[in-house]
Amino acid sequence: AQSVTQLDSQVPVFEEAPVELRCNYSSSVSVYLFWYVQYPNQGLQLLLKYLSGSTLVKGINGFEAEFNKSQTSFHLRKPSVHISDTAEYFCAVSPVGGSEKLVFGKGTKLTVNP
Amino acid sequence: EAGVVQSPRYKIIEKKQPVAFWCNPISGHNTLYWYRQNLGQGPELLIRYENEEAVDDSQLPKDRFSAERLKGVDSTLKIQPAELGDSAVYLCASSFSLAGGPEQFFGPGTRLTVL
Repeated sequence: AQSVTQLDSQVPVFEEAPVELRCNYSSSVSVYLFWYVQYPNQGLQLLLKYLSGSTLVKGINGFEAEFNKSQTSFHLRKPSVHISDTAEYFCAVSPVGGSEKLVFGKGTKLTVNP
Repeated sequence: EAGVVQSPRYKIIEKKQPVAFWCNPISGHNTLYWYRQNLGQGPELLIRYENEEAVDDSQLPKDRFSAERLKGVDSTLKIQPAELGDSAVYLCASSFSLAGGPEQFFGPGTRLTVL
């Protein structure tokens, strides 16, 4: 079985500041890793994914994440945030060659203040 | 390309009433998922379909929840009777697995409030 821990439930930052949203996972098998964003009253939108290869993954809206296998982490970063980045961010994992079931963390609420 | 469509977007019912949610996946996607997202939590899988077959329904509360995916396209999730604890957002997602791994596309969800 897999589990995901998002270490911060809320992250407030000022506009144009850098941000890092932390994600750690636990799994006995190899996993695919995902970050999704959810704006108010909307569904989840994929930001980026790690399937294999380079451990630094670039996504939409200027976000990137780095897979660290030894630390079982997949932290999300953005060098300069905008007001429009205010949303809920979810980290998720899915077992490689498995059931395709996504296991989500509890989410991190990012609030960008002017 | 149209995304995953869900209806209704919002539903308010009294406890013990029945309710149904509808989902139309992205055209060509053979896998369909229903998730429940409680307030302040991440989504949790209820059921997964491969075409018409429910291949993972281990988290579906079968005493009151049922789902179907006739003809392997759109799907309906039903709750009968609804309880107060069923208040949540119900998300539908679809995917078409490629060699590069799974990517699920989510609909906007149905927000259910049980009074």
